Amino acid sequence: EVQLVESGGGLVQPGGSLRLSCAASGFTFSTYWMHWVRQVPGKGLVWVSRINEDGTTTDYADSVKGRFTISRDNAKNTLYLQMNSLRAEDSAVYYCGRDLSGASDFWGQGTLVTVSS
Amino acid sequence: DIVMTQSPFSLPVTPGEPASISCRSSQSLLHRNGKCFFAWYLQKSGQSPQVLIYLGFNRASGVPDRFSGSVSGTDFTLKISRVEAEDVGVYYCMQGLQIPYTFGQGTKLEIK
Repeated sequence: EVQLVESGGGLVQPGGSLRLSCAASGFTFSTYWMHWVRQVPGKGLVWVSRINEDGTTTDYADSVKGRFTISRDNAKNTLYLQMNSLRAEDSAVYYCGRDLSGASDFWGQGTLVTVSS
Repeated sequence: DIVMTQSPFSLPVTPGEPASISCRSSQSLLHRNGKCFFAWYLQKSGQSPQVLIYLGFNRASGVPDRFSGSVSGTDFTLKISRVEAEDVGVYYCMQGLQIPYTFGQGTKLEIK
């Protein structure tokens, strides 16, 4: 069974940092692109970042470029999102997703990030 | 960025009746490989999104065959042949052709 489990969310002050993790199981993690998508509760979905199978190609939304870094450890079957210089507008539920031809066929349950003083 | 425009915003439907949701992209989603990088998702209350349709019209694994997707240029349609109570939620379209991937604003389907 494919499972994606996010962790690492929480309350952080503006300007602070957090590292989100997404633990994958039930599939060959190293053969899939992976995505991060976020959603302010009650609002729509916003794509954040993606990474290729071996971590050599990464892409970001303009709103997070230069502040967020996506990475992966295929030996640990884990996807990461390092978030620095956090702003109030980064507050959201963050989901990781497994790529399916540009879409995501499996998603985690999400982890809530709240940026507030 | 590619803009995805969905309609309607809200869709009340009687169980057993058909339903249709539209999405328009601001530019073609056709890759030079011939594939259309477009998807439909359903997000039920309190849950993560689930993919219904990918590559324009391909039904994802486990999705009931009452869901179908069609493409005409930059116009995309999700059809539910007979709505069931479990289909309630917010439907999103998404383009996965160009970075940044972008979503429509969502269509809330509710039961009359």
